[in-house]
Amino acid sequence: NAGVTQTPKFQVLKTGQSMTLQCAQDMNHNSMYWYRQDPGMGLRLIYYSASEGTTDKGEVPNGYNVSRLNKREFSLRLESAAPSQTSVYFCATSKLGIMNSPLHFGNGTRLTVT
Amino acid sequence: AQTVTQSQPEMSVQEAETVTLSCTYDTSESNYYLFWYKQPPSRQMILVIRQEAYKQQNATENRFSVNFQKAAKSFSLKISDSQLGDTAMYFCALNYGGSQGNLIFGKGTKLSVKP
Repeated sequence: NAGVTQTPKFQVLKTGQSMTLQCAQDMNHNSMYWYRQDPGMGLRLIYYSASEGTTDKGEVPNGYNVSRLNKREFSLRLESAAPSQTSVYFCATSKLGIMNSPLHFGNGTRLTVT
Repeated sequence: AQTVTQSQPEMSVQEAETVTLSCTYDTSESNYYLFWYKQPPSRQMILVIRQEAYKQQNATENRFSVNFQKAAKSFSLKISDSQLGDTAMYFCALNYGGSQGNLIFGKGTKLSVKP
C-alpha cells in the first residue's frame, strides 16, 4: 500500500551538479505532477504529465526537465542545480486529471543546493 | 488568471475550541472544485475536505466544515473541537479544470493548537 513513493527524501547538491528525483505510483493513476514548495509561496507546479508519453510545462519549469517513463514513473531532473532550486519537491498523482479528482502526494524530497 | 489567497499566515487556537481559516479565490470559470489540504510537520499533504462550486450545501467531514460563499468567492475552513494533532500548515486550493487537473494553491496558514 505504498501509494506515491519519492526518492530520495533528502539531498544536498553543489551548484552545477545534476540529479534526478524519482517518483513512482502504484495507484494506477493517469496524471502525475511535480510541485515545489517554498516558504511563504505555497506549492507551485513545475511540470505535469496527463498520461503516459505526454508532458507539459507548469508555472515554474525553468531549470528542470521531466520524463514520464511509463504509467507508474515520472522523474524530475535538474541538469545544473542552482541555489534558487533549494526547495521541497512533491510528486502527486490524480486518477483522471479532472476537477473533482483530488491529488495524492508523495512525502516530498528536501533539496538543498549550496 | 486564477488565484487563491490565504490572508492569515499564522493562527493559534486553544485545544477543544473552534477556529476558522480564511480563503478567497478568483476564477472566471463557472464550475470548479475547492480543496483544503493539511500538511503536518511530517510534510505529508493530506486532503481534508473538498467542495464543488455547483453544490450549495457546505461540505462537512467530521470536525471539519467549510463555509462556501460563491458570490463572494470565499471558502473558509472551520475546525471544531480542535485537537493537538490539528497543528499543521493548511492550504486552500482551486481546481478550475486547467492543466489537466492542476491545483492552484494558496500560500498557506500555519495553525498551532495549544494545550
